[in-house]
Amino acid sequence: GAGVSQTPSNKVTEKGKYVELRCDPISGHTALYWYRQSLGQGPEFLIYFQGTGAADDSGLPNDRFFAVRPEGSVSTLKIQRTERGDSAVYLCASSPFQGSSYGYTFGSGTRLTVV
Amino acid sequence: QKEVEQDPGPLSVPEGAIVSLNCTYSNSAFQYFMWYRQYSRKGPELLMYTYSSGNKEDGRFTAQVDKSSKYISLFIRDSQPSDSATYLCAMGKAGANSKLTFGKGITLSVRP
Repeated sequence: GAGVSQTPSNKVTEKGKYVELRCDPISGHTALYWYRQSLGQGPEFLIYFQGTGAADDSGLPNDRFFAVRPEGSVSTLKIQRTERGDSAVYLCASSPFQGSSYGYTFGSGTRLTVV
Repeated sequence: QKEVEQDPGPLSVPEGAIVSLNCTYSNSAFQYFMWYRQYSRKGPELLMYTYSSGNKEDGRFTAQVDKSSKYISLFIRDSQPSDSATYLCAMGKAGANSKLTFGKGITLSVRP
């Protein structure tokens, strides 16, 4: 597609449940990023994929969070045992430039609400 | 103290005003400086990208970087109601680490 696609756009889940958030990057973009944006804050880095491998996962807050990109295209962010503090907008971005802060295109995000 | 601090908002100006948005940072490793615009319920979109001290102009937008003072600014001339959005500064480090560190964002409203 023309842009980065994220599904679902909204997700409401109960505390303790498991959720998966999907990101479909721009075709041909090898770099993929996940960020989390809490209300009234700027996005915070979670994880960066270069191809299929996670080149930097230093932003994942704890072991309840995990992300995969098995074929180097679509990525899934997985959150286990969700907590109310996980409520935020999860943004995905892709870029044709590896190892560069230039050229990000962000998706519109998945708004996760944990009740 | 956060690595990137952004002037708090919100900010409301009349149409046609000049707007000045500012961020400071504490980490000298930041070498790349960006301004993003974010409309409600959308992802951030890149407005300006620069990697050196000085000014960069693009239409009504001017980005200014002062590395010695660790201070960056975005100026918007002849502001329009369509400029109403949240503006985020972002910074990246040199080398293979391409993650961005964002400011908190400031919400701008341009009144017709």
